[in-house]
Amino acid sequence: SQQGEEDPQALSIQEGENATMNCSYKTSINNLQWYRQNSGRGLVHLILIRSNEREKHSGRLRVTLDTSKKSSSLLITASRAADTASYFCATDFPSGTYKYIFGTGTRLKVLA
Amino acid sequence: KAGVTQTPRYLIKTRGQQVTLSCSPISGHRSVSWYQQTPGQGLQFLFEYFSETQRNKGNFPGRFSGRQFSNSRSEMNVSTLELGDSALYLCASSLIGDGYTFGSGTRLTVV
Repeated sequence: SQQGEEDPQALSIQEGENATMNCSYKTSINNLQWYRQNSGRGLVHLILIRSNEREKHSGRLRVTLDTSKKSSSLLITASRAADTASYFCATDFPSGTYKYIFGTGTRLKVLA
Repeated sequence: KAGVTQTPRYLIKTRGQQVTLSCSPISGHRSVSWYQQTPGQGLQFLFEYFSETQRNKGNFPGRFSGRQFSNSRSEMNVSTLELGDSALYLCASSLIGDGYTFGSGTRLTVV
């Protein structure tokens, strides 16, 4: 079963706009990660946020985590055509079992 | 620093055959995980190895197996291939508590 569910499933925006993707999960976690995947290739790690953190930044990426709502969001600011990809959240489920469960992903298309 | 290397990149096999996929993790990473990705099921966890020990296994039939060697390289094997095993198989290595670094994957097609 899926631990993480991303919303929306697909998103299409114009270059320069911001893109926001959300992830909800079911059980308590140690950390949550976001990944990007281009055209069925391997996934690229973007950000890891721990359960005691509320917000984290990396370049144009901003991730928030709300453990009370069991949700996270990924914001990509000033999007570029190169940001076109699928984005996945992954949570350690349950904590300490040495495996991460991936969500269903959000397909982002940035139009030039 | 070399990334995670998966071989082969592409593979075509016939139903009933078996296949072995290889993964070389980043130097110093002792944890190796395998995932299967299909359009219908998304990314599904197969197993995770640490220091040659399988620490966790996903909900896959016994036809799917793996192992890890003393140099942390890992292999996974699928026996008696079925059409539904066609997928992108991804290997990832990590330091404990850190994010994964994924390989480019092996795309397996079963005909």
